[in-house]
Amino acid sequence: AQSVTQLGSHVSVSEGALVLLRCNYSSSVPPYLFWYVQYPNQGLQLLLKYTSAATLVKGINGFEAEFKKSETSFHLTKPSAHMSDAAEYFCAVSEDTGFQKLVFGTGTRLLVSP
Amino acid sequence: DGGITQSPKYLFRKEGQNVTLSCEQNLNHDAMYWYRQDPGQGLRLIYYSQIVNDFQKGDIAEGYSVSREKKESFPLTVTSAQKNPTAFYLCASSIPSTVGAFFGQGTRLTVV
Repeated sequence: AQSVTQLGSHVSVSEGALVLLRCNYSSSVPPYLFWYVQYPNQGLQLLLKYTSAATLVKGINGFEAEFKKSETSFHLTKPSAHMSDAAEYFCAVSEDTGFQKLVFGTGTRLLVSP
Repeated sequence: DGGITQSPKYLFRKEGQNVTLSCEQNLNHDAMYWYRQDPGQGLRLIYYSQIVNDFQKGDIAEGYSVSREKKESFPLTVTSAQKNPTAFYLCASSIPSTVGAFFGQGTRLTVV
């Protein structure tokens, strides 16, 4: 069965600092991997996705993630945090090619201080 | 603009009452999903549907029911059998040719 582990329920950074949100997955087949962002009382917005093409995936708002099969990881990074990045971030995995039944991690809340 | 519309945004109900959450999409997506979100638990799949008039249980279907009479609509009923219905409910949709699901803005259900 597929699963996702997000290390750290809260991550705090200063504005301008590197953002690193960790995600490890478990899957019996080559997975599809996703990062979603959620602002308070809002739905989820897709940041980026890995679909077995390039291992380094670039997304919106300056975020990127690298798929490392040997480490079963898909960590999310951004070189310089902005106050507007403060939100909750979810990593998700899917093994389905036809439709997207997603399995989510428990989320990481990113706090950005001035 | 295409998208997924969930209504209402906030919903209050008394304990023991059934309540139906609306989800409509104009993206022409085949598949639709309902997820439940609780603090610290991420999102959990309640029900999903790949085509009209067909749907499958997800991981936490007990106490919920759905219907898919039209491609664009996938309403979720929270029944009185659901022991802890207070949560944030998210509807999503997808198509096979595009990897990744699109989400609505959610409905926050509070049972008092």
